[in-house]
Amino acid sequence: QVQLVQSGAEVKKPGASVKVSCKASGYTFTSYDINWVRQATGQGLEWMGWMNPNSGNTGYAQKFQGRVTMTRNTSISTAYMELSSLRSEDTAVYYCARISSSSSDYWGQGTLVTVSS
Amino acid sequence: DIQMTQSPSTLSASVGDRVTITCRASQSISSWLAWYQQKPGKAPKLLIYKASSLESGVPSRFSGSGSGTEFTLTISSLQPDDFATYYCQQYNSYWFTFGPGTKVDIK
Repeated sequence: QVQLVQSGAEVKKPGASVKVSCKASGYTFTSYDINWVRQATGQGLEWMGWMNPNSGNTGYAQKFQGRVTMTRNTSISTAYMELSSLRSEDTAVYYCARISSSSSDYWGQGTLVTVSS
Repeated sequence: DIQMTQSPSTLSASVGDRVTITCRASQSISSWLAWYQQKPGKAPKLLIYKASSLESGVPSRFSGSGSGTEFTLTISSLQPDDFATYYCQQYNSYWFTFGPGTKVDIK
């Protein structure tokens, strides 16, 4: 069965960077793009960007341009999202999701990133 | 950027009610719209893709319609498991945007 398993919760100081991993199983990793979406507590879903695991091509939401980097390691079927220059407003649950038919059909369990001094 | 709006923001309903949620895009997105259900502390769950296609395993009481800029999600007979927040999401040229969400709670 398709699964996306994310890395554990992180606590970071303002100005630091965080790198969240998303390990895929149950399907061919390079055949489906990956979305990254975040959700602050009590807030809605916010799209951050996508990555093509086959080519490494990426597309980032304008809000995160210059601060986010999405990469992958195809040998271990894992996608990564790194967010730099963290501020308190970046405290949120970060999700990876598989893209199929222009929607996200399988989601990771979420990774809580807390930014606090 | 394409902006998405949803109405209502909150909806109070009873088990058995027919429920309709509307999503509007700031410009035409053809049929590139998805609907998700999210419960507290859980990842979103895909319900509908390409505006009206039911995701595998999703009960048939959920349906989607619309094209262009106006879309609806309908729950034909609300069940206890359906109390949740619903989000629409558009796709256009590899850019995605979510609507602000509609919370369906118990009347």
